[in-house]
Amino acid sequence: GAVVSQHPSRVICKSGTSVKIECRSLDFQATTMFWYRQFPKQSLMLMATSNEGSKATYEQGVEKDKFLINHASLTLSTLTVTSAHPEDSSFYICSARDPFGGVNEKLFFGSGTQLSVL
Amino acid sequence: GENVEQHPSTLSVQEGDSAVIKCTYSDSASNYFPWYKQELGKGPQLIIDIRSNVGEKKDQRIAVTLNKTAKHFSLHITETQPEDSAVYFCAANTYGQNFVFGPGTRLSVLP
Repeated sequence: GAVVSQHPSRVICKSGTSVKIECRSLDFQATTMFWYRQFPKQSLMLMATSNEGSKATYEQGVEKDKFLINHASLTLSTLTVTSAHPEDSSFYICSARDPFGGVNEKLFFGSGTQLSVL
Repeated sequence: GENVEQHPSTLSVQEGDSAVIKCTYSDSASNYFPWYKQELGKGPQLIIDIRSNVGEKKDQRIAVTLNKTAKHFSLHITETQPEDSAVYFCAANTYGQNFVFGPGTRLSVLP
């Protein structure tokens, strides 16, 4: 299947700093990528849809100024958690649709980033 | 919108036994149903999927069945092994729409 690479896998930062997470599609071009947040023992919560060359679409309740998304190329989307606070600590996962999946585009995930804000 | 329920939330089986996880969905327009396996600290991995024009699909020890009339689909794992222990998520999707995930099932395979 398609490969989605996510970095870093773990980051620890001080409160008030900003953290950038990268998501790359390695063997295909992704016009759309997705960012999820996952709390311990819970399901995946869609935060936003990242569209190449245009503004991201945020889900209700997600602060767009807190979670900046940039999708500057067909293989790279970034999520920047601005002025991070302890409540932003979570597991963040990106995903991308394989455009060659046929009628239904298969969804592949990155390996996730564990963010810990001290 | 689509709503996906998943049962059970936790499942423990003895090594070598079978495990079955069931999901129900609400939107009859959904036509694609993938299953993901998530190990601790990692992203979900697609393990098998099924489209609405198929009733069953099998890949070695795992299989998925779909009942469109009842709007439910199930994951079957046979001859379970300790490395099958993980959280499994089902999802439902209609082309062009976002994927809707179930709440997950934590499977423990006991040696």
